[in-house]
Amino acid sequence: DAGVTQSPTHLIKTRGQHVTLRCSPISGHKSVSWYQQVLGQGPQFIFQYYEKEERGRGNFPDRFSARQFPNYSSELNVNALLLGDSALYLCASSLAGRQGFYEQYFGPGTRLTVT
Amino acid sequence: AQSVTQPDIHITVSEGASLELRCNYSYGATPYLFWYVQSPGQGLQLLLKYFSGDTLVQGIKGFEAEFKRSQSSFNLRKPSVHWSDAAEYFCAVGPRSNDYKLSFGAGTTVTVRA
Repeated sequence: DAGVTQSPTHLIKTRGQHVTLRCSPISGHKSVSWYQQVLGQGPQFIFQYYEKEERGRGNFPDRFSARQFPNYSSELNVNALLLGDSALYLCASSLAGRQGFYEQYFGPGTRLTVT
Repeated sequence: AQSVTQPDIHITVSEGASLELRCNYSYGATPYLFWYVQSPGQGLQLLLKYFSGDTLVQGIKGFEAEFKRSQSSFNLRKPSVHWSDAAEYFCAVGPRSNDYKLSFGAGTTVTVRA
């Protein structure tokens, strides 16, 4: 079975630009979460979506937004990019349910570099 | 405040030797507990999880972890390390609430020497 897939693998953007990152969950998983991992740190939670509804949001500015589609794939959008947004962006998918939401399986990530 | 601490930033171990990585958490109630491994340039792979029940949890790749409520710890162990175990290891916790995010420690980098 295919795992979580993310695209693109890498991208380079300039400050002030906008970026869209994409994620396809494991088949049968209906929840998607996004995390930001800055070099040398653990991942930080950005969003969780379930059945196209936002279920949780981390401490990130409104420049960050996301959505989930009927096929459960998801997009993360970041506007007005800053140098500090350079990071590995990880998508994780999970089943529903109290324990299911927490058992998250991660994709390979998108490496974003802002210059 | 809720927190996850991995006290060891970097551990070097000889191939064939045992490995133990420490993880401590500070939460009001026992959270769900996880260990992930990340190879360079890769995403995170789930090694094992603890929800309830037996406090010694077996995972993939020969890893196990023990939950100790009295110490608020969830340490990861492997009896005999292989060179392929060189990676970064993250402890993560999920509070038993409607907040479904995982909070991660800062990670421990494991180097395996021949």
